Amino acid sequence: NAGVTQTPKFQVLKTGQSMTLQCAQDMNHNSMYWYRQDPGMGLRLIYYSASEGTTDKGEVPNGYNVSRLNKREFSLRLESAAPSQTSVYFCASSDTGWDSPLHFGNGTRLTVT
Amino acid sequence: ILNVEQSPQSLHVQEGDSTNFTCSFPSSNFYALHWYRWETAKSPEALFVMTLNGDEKKKGRISATLNTKEGYSYLYIKGSQPEDSATYLCAAANQAGTALIFGKGTTLSVSS
Repeated sequence: NAGVTQTPKFQVLKTGQSMTLQCAQDMNHNSMYWYRQDPGMGLRLIYYSASEGTTDKGEVPNGYNVSRLNKREFSLRLESAAPSQTSVYFCASSDTGWDSPLHFGNGTRLTVT
Repeated sequence: ILNVEQSPQSLHVQEGDSTNFTCSFPSSNFYALHWYRWETAKSPEALFVMTLNGDEKKKGRISATLNTKEGYSYLYIKGSQPEDSATYLCAAANQAGTALIFGKGTTLSVSS
């Protein structure tokens, strides 16, 4: 099993460019999440999808959109990248929500210049 | 949004020492408490998920306890080894269920 797969691993964008971070899980999990990790901060939730067909805002949703394409895939889109979005992005999944452990992907390191 | 605090921020111990960390969270409307281990250049890996007051969980030399009435959890490592060096994260969710909020972590360094 691959677990949670994120692509790309690294990306450099110019301010104003757009991009989509892809995430897929093969564990048949219901819930999926996008977090960002910044120096000196804890992991912060951007958006989550409790189940296929639903998405909800997390702590820091501004500047992002998400799509739960099917049960396996949950993508994160930056429509107009800003330097403040320079971060490491982690996708995660869990079986039943907040009372089951999160399984994380390997992260995407994004730099916006 | 919950405020989850971890202490200490960092810790350096010798091989064989036992150690513990603290995670504090709001006790009202508690739902779940998670512990993760995060090694450099890897992704966080789940250690424990606890939901009931008084829960104790153990995995090898690592154990955790939960007190939901006073809003804290302890993570214990018995006989630390160099391979235990990592950042340990805790995260809490409340019954409103809008987010799993992570603390900033405790970074453990074990010297041989």
